[in-house]
Amino acid sequence: KNQVEQSPQSLIILEGKNCTLQCNYTVSPFSNLRWYKQDTGRGPVSLTIMTFSENTKSNGRYTATLDADTKQSSLHITASQLSDSASYICVVRLSGGSYIPTFGRGTSLIVHP
Amino acid sequence: EPEVTQTPSHQVTQMGQEVILRCVPISNHLYFYWYRQILGQKVEFLVSFYNNEISEKSEIFDDQFSVERPDGSNFTLKIRSTKLEDSAMYFCASSERQDNYGYTFGSGTRLTVV
Repeated sequence: KNQVEQSPQSLIILEGKNCTLQCNYTVSPFSNLRWYKQDTGRGPVSLTIMTFSENTKSNGRYTATLDADTKQSSLHITASQLSDSASYICVVRLSGGSYIPTFGRGTSLIVHP
Repeated sequence: EPEVTQTPSHQVTQMGQEVILRCVPISNHLYFYWYRQILGQKVEFLVSFYNNEISEKSEIFDDQFSVERPDGSNFTLKIRSTKLEDSAMYFCASSERQDNYGYTFGSGTRLTVV
């Protein structure tokens, strides 16, 4: 069964600190993996998208990595800000056939001043 | 920056009533989607729509649900006879291509069934 597992479930950090969120998936065959930021009560906003051949991709203070061999991805947030408080969701898509994405449950990040 | 617009932002309805959730996708996008997120749970795919027909649908999208593109700009989700368990955030999304590039979500409609 295609699954996406994220850890930790929740994380509290101080403003200015770095953090890393993890995503493990069993989706196969793999097409792409996307990290979203979802503020409370809002729709998900895309941060990065990576295909099979990409190992790392950055978007400002967000850097995503992908190891397609071990089926793991991480999202690293540098110099956190209060506005980074949100849920971060990993979404994996199959290649060929179905285009239905598999969502992780998300990591809830709280940044304290 | 182009946005996916959803209305209303919050809808309260009585059990058994029909509701229509509305979405205006980004104008040059060709693929349209509905998702739902029950409070505290993960986002779940409902249906994708292209060229005026359903491309894919999940097990959640049963006969109580239907989608329509009534004109050149709107994309709607209808729930025929709402149940308490239909209470959730419903997100519309659109994309330029089926392979997910340019995928954009709306801000959602919070549906509360009482």
